[in-house]
Formats: sequence, structure tokens, C-alpha cells
Amino acid sequence: EAGVAQSPRYKIIEKRQSVAFWCNPISGHATLYWYQQILGQGPKLLIQFQNNGVVDDSQLPKDRFSAERLKGVDSTLKIQPAKLEDSAVYLCASSPSGQITDTQYFGPGTRLTVL
Amino acid sequence: KNEVEQSPQNLTAQEGEFITINCSYSVGISALHWLQQHPGGGIVSLFMLSSGKKKHGRLIATINIQEKHSSLHITASHPRDSAVYICAVRSPGNQFYFGTGTSLTVIP
Repeated sequence: EAGVAQSPRYKIIEKRQSVAFWCNPISGHATLYWYQQILGQGPKLLIQFQNNGVVDDSQLPKDRFSAERLKGVDSTLKIQPAKLEDSAVYLCASSPSGQITDTQYFGPGTRLTVL
Repeated sequence: KNEVEQSPQNLTAQEGEFITINCSYSVGISALHWLQQHPGGGIVSLFMLSSGKKKHGRLIATINIQEKHSSLHITASHPRDSAVYICAVRSPGNQFYFGTGTSLTVIP
């Protein structure tokens, strides 16, 4: 079974530029999560999708971050414009049904550096 | 104060030692997860617990709901166990809270 795929693996941009990350979850997984992990900290949930609907985006900085999962499969996370403090690893995860006891499967992450 | 606290933050052990990593949380939970993060960022889910104890190979995870505490044990530790171990809890309201992780180094 293929795992969660993310691209790119690394991205370096200047502040005020825009950037987009892509995630392809495990086939058949209904729930998709985007996390932000700043160096030295645990992951922070940004947004959770159930199929193509948003379940939780309470910690997503909506003035600059957006995410979509139009067909309920893969997803993109965009930052526009980026700030220095957005430098982090962005992790995508998926789970079969989004139930509280589901196991989440994580992708390798995209490491973003904002200069 | 974080909703999830882990200890120790850093741990160095000799190969073969028994290792314990602790996690305390202050919120009501529906489930607790132990995650393993290797250098380079990849995260693997080790356990999901809502009560009791689970064992997988050399790894054992326990949870005490009344005390709001969980432990991850590694028996007969090996250098390949070197990683960051993260405790994460999920509230009944579907909020996620993550600890900052315990960085484990196992020396041959």
C-alpha cells in the first residue's frame, strides 16, 4: 500500500512570496490533515478535511493560509504571502474515516524556509 | 502551559537499556497517540490508546485515564530506536494537542 505522498520535499522562498504544497493521501482515506511543525515543537493541526468538507480549521491563519480538497482526494495548502515565522515542516496525514480512534498515517513533510 | 507535557525532553541511553518516556495531559481525551519522528521529518504512528496497555514488539504503551498520564516503554533499546517520540491527544471535541517530543539517542 502506497503511503501519503507530499511534494515538494523542500522549498525556500523569500518573505511575501507565495507557496503551495501538495498532498496525496492513502487511497480510500476519507480524512486528510495538514499540520505545521515548527523546529523544536510538536505538530500543530492547521486543517482537517472529511472527504472534501472542512471539519476543523480553527488554527488556520486564514488571512494568509488556505487549503482545499476539491475532489475529496488530494489536497493543496497555500501560503500567501509568506512570513518568516512560517518556516516549518508542513505535514500531511490521512486516516480511513476520521473517527477519534483512527490511526493517522503521515507523509514525509515539506520543509519550508522563508528568508 | 501546554496541554500535553512530555518528559524527559532529551534522553541518551546505551544499547540494551530499558527506556521510559512520560506524557501528562491536562485536557479530557478520547484517544492518545504515540508517534515516532525520524530525522528528516517522517512520522510514524506507533500506538493509539484509549485505555489500558498495548504492546508491539519491543514497544509498550500504557495509559492511566484517571491520572491523565501515559508512558511509552522501549525494551532492549537499539540505535535504530533513535528518534523523536511525540505524545498527542485528541479531545472529544476533535481538538488535537501535541507534546513537544522527547529526543531519544541510543548509543551502540
